[in-house]
Amino acid sequence: LAKTTQPISMDSYEGQEVNITCSHNNIATNDYITWYQQFPSQGPRFIIQGYKTKVTNEVASLFIPADRKSSTLSLPRVSLSDTAVYYCLVGDDGAGSYQLTFGKGTKLSVIP
Amino acid sequence: DVKVTQSSRYLVKRTGEKVFLECVQDMDHENMFWYRQDPGLGLRLIYFSYDVKMKEKGDIPEGYSVSREKKERFSLILESASTNQTSMYLCASSPGGGSHTEAFFGQGTRLTVV
Repeated sequence: LAKTTQPISMDSYEGQEVNITCSHNNIATNDYITWYQQFPSQGPRFIIQGYKTKVTNEVASLFIPADRKSSTLSLPRVSLSDTAVYYCLVGDDGAGSYQLTFGKGTKLSVIP
Repeated sequence: DVKVTQSSRYLVKRTGEKVFLECVQDMDHENMFWYRQDPGLGLRLIYFSYDVKMKEKGDIPEGYSVSREKKERFSLILESASTNQTSMYLCASSPGGGSHTEAFFGQGTRLTVV
């Protein structure tokens, strides 16, 4: 399983763009990069997934460089409601493993 | 909407009791997972299952067992509860086809062992 490393915490003011970077140096060819968001007292929820280059949805953008050894989750113009823990995961698309391992995540605090 | 339902939101048990945490999903997902979450430690995987009657140890299986007799139900069992098992327990399910498929979580069970 590819190990991921991300900052423990980040602070941001409302209205700013936030970028959270995750390192996954031993990512394998079949691996996808997925980000989850967890609010207090709730389970995590999927927000975005990508394999390479850039993916964008209504919530966030995900940037993945050509070597895929890192990825950056970008949250545009954050609000107080974006205060949450963000987890970066790497998982494969085949029968290699079904294990879904979360780390400690990045605790994002949005300040008024 | 995918729904993962955990049987209890809050639970208080005594040391030494046998505790069952139940999880049911309604989307015919192959994979199911049990995690515990403690402050500063993130989500840690206890056990997971990729098919009926199949189970695999996660990162912290000691003191726990699981049962998956039906596809939709995955039970976590604490054979003899101890105070260090006081935690938030989260169940999740995901479709088959690898570990990258989207996982859906239940609302969590906050277990206190006294």
